[in-house]
Amino acid sequence: NAGVTQTPKFQVLKTGQSMTLQCAQDMNHEYMSWYRQDPGMGLRLIHYSVGAGITDQGEVPNGYNVSRSTTEDFPLRLLSAAPSQTSVYFCASRRTANKNIQYFGAGTRLSVL
Amino acid sequence: SQQGEEDPQALSIQEGENATMNCSYKTSINNLQWYRQNSGRGLVHLILIRSNEREKHSGRLRVTLDTSKKSSSLLITASRAADTASYFCATDADAGGTSYGKLTFGQGTILTVHP
Repeated sequence: NAGVTQTPKFQVLKTGQSMTLQCAQDMNHEYMSWYRQDPGMGLRLIHYSVGAGITDQGEVPNGYNVSRSTTEDFPLRLLSAAPSQTSVYFCASRRTANKNIQYFGAGTRLSVL
Repeated sequence: SQQGEEDPQALSIQEGENATMNCSYKTSINNLQWYRQNSGRGLVHLILIRSNEREKHSGRLRVTLDTSKKSSSLLITASRAADTASYFCATDADAGGTSYGKLTFGQGTILTVHP
């Protein structure tokens, strides 16, 4: 199994550009999440999904959109990139809500100039 | 806001020594998890302890949980250079019996083990 796959691994954007960070998991997990990791800040939850067709906001959702049309995929969209969105983004999935560990992708390192 | 706070922020030890990292949190939890992150990589799950458990072991790892103090500790015994990484605690909030995957992470402890 591939687990959680994120693409791209690196991306440089100019302010105002849009892009989509891709995330796919092949473990048939119901729950998927997006986090951003900034120095000294740990991981902060951006958006999450409890199943196909259901998404909700996390701690820092502004500037990001998500959708969950299939169980496998959970893309994160930046509509108009800002320098404050320079970060490392991690996608994660877990089988169910309760008492289960979370599996992380390798991350996408994004720079917004 | 961050649920968990970890200390120390950085820890430097020699191979063979034990490493202890602490995590404090603010709200009631369903479970607490510890993750490891090697430089430039994603997080990898190490161990999960449920709110009704006080101690758990996995290999060289020992985790304790004190829900009355809202704190947890991770002990790595007989450390190795390969243990060099960042370690994060993450809490699953106890929200009506479900947590919906909303793990809340601490800021992490950077562990350096010198050969």
